[in-house]
Amino acid sequence: AQSVAQPEDQVNVAEGNPLTVKCTYSVSGNPYLFWYVQYPNRGLQFLLKYITGDNLVKGSYGFEAEFNKSQTSFHLKKPSALVSDSALYFCAVRDDGGTYKYIFGTGTRLKVLA
Amino acid sequence: NAGVTQTPKFQVLKTGQSMTLQCAQDMNHEYMSWYRQDPGMGLRLIHYSVGAGITDQGEVPNGYNVSRSTTEDFPLRLLSAAPSQTSVYFCASSYSRFLGELFFGEGSRLTVL
Repeated sequence: AQSVAQPEDQVNVAEGNPLTVKCTYSVSGNPYLFWYVQYPNRGLQFLLKYITGDNLVKGSYGFEAEFNKSQTSFHLKKPSALVSDSALYFCAVRDDGGTYKYIFGTGTRLKVLA
Repeated sequence: NAGVTQTPKFQVLKTGQSMTLQCAQDMNHEYMSWYRQDPGMGLRLIHYSVGAGITDQGEVPNGYNVSRSTTEDFPLRLLSAAPSQTSVYFCASSYSRFLGELFFGEGSRLTVL
């Protein structure tokens, strides 16, 4: 069965510093990995995805994520955090086995301090 | 371009009542799904559909029914509401059942008393 773990409930970072939001996954086949962001009282918005190819994936708003197969991780990163990046971030996984299920993590709240 | 539209945005029910959460998308997306979001539990998949006439269960399907008679609509039915179904519900769609990212509605907040 697929699963996703986001080990940190909250991450605090100072504005201008680099940020990392962690995600590890478990699937039986090849993983398809996604990051989404949720602002208060809104639906989730897609940030980036890894399907195949380069392990470093670039997405919206300056975010990027690094796929590491040996560590089964897909951490979200940004070189310089903005206060406006403060939000709830979700990692999601799908396998290539034809189940068509997107499974989400529990979310990590990012707080960027001015 | 409306995207994914959910109605109602807010609803209060009494235990045992029934209701339908509506979801419509105007992007001709093949894949549609319903999630519930609860504090500390993230998003959990209730049901999903890979096309008109095809539905399947997700992680937490009990107490919910779905149907997909058209490509555009994917209603979620609560036949006999329970307090445990108090949650925020999200509908999401994707252009492809295979590798597409999900587009989310704005959510429906349901309270069951």
